[in-house]
Amino acid sequence: NAGVTQTPKFQVLKTGQSMTLQCAQDMNHNSMYWYRQDPGMGLRLIYYSASEGTTDKGEVPNGYNVSRLNKREFSLRLESAAPSQTSVYFCASSESRTAAYGYTFGSGTRLTVV
Amino acid sequence: AQSVTQLDSHVSVSEGTPVLLRCNYSSSYSPSLFWYVQHPNKGLQLLLKYTSAATLVKGINGFEAEFKKSETSFHLTKPSAHMSDAAEYFCVVSDWNSGGYQKVTFGTGTKLQVIP
Repeated sequence: NAGVTQTPKFQVLKTGQSMTLQCAQDMNHNSMYWYRQDPGMGLRLIYYSASEGTTDKGEVPNGYNVSRLNKREFSLRLESAAPSQTSVYFCASSESRTAAYGYTFGSGTRLTVV
Repeated sequence: AQSVTQLDSHVSVSEGTPVLLRCNYSSSYSPSLFWYVQHPNKGLQLLLKYTSAATLVKGINGFEAEFKKSETSFHLTKPSAHMSDAAEYFCVVSDWNSGGYQKVTFGTGTKLQVIP
């Protein structure tokens, strides 16, 4: 099925460990996004990529890095995980940077940092 | 500054009765407005969107929303709730800011409980 695929679905890290969350879309969308979801706070934008070859910080970028590997793939890296990064992470894509068509979301990665 | 407020964090309705999920927004320009639904342990799915065409927008699964500029509201409704509607719903506003950047803001969500 067409859509946004995220891996892994679940992950437990120890404080200070690193990991990369993977995201791939097969809809030929130009723009991709990483959000985190925390209870009572809605979704907050971490980083986005308006088009292949560009990345920009969102609302909460500290502690994260991203790579837009090609048009399909957009990865999120935690270099040194902290308990405050315990969250559910969603990758999304949209046809254009205007986002007027709405986003297509992946099913999420549930990350726990102990 | 752009913002979106979902007026109820939890709404409980009986199966077969109407659903009303309330959303107010503030935006300096001409916003696009969206409702997304998230079922437990799933990603968000687009329900419907308003992008300056008809003010009454119909979405999937019988949901609809009306854009009221004078009230800065975009409430989500459904005439008759079904058990499968139990989920969390997010109101989202998207608009261009003065710097030429499109900002997207999510509401904090409304959890809908449907009682048999």
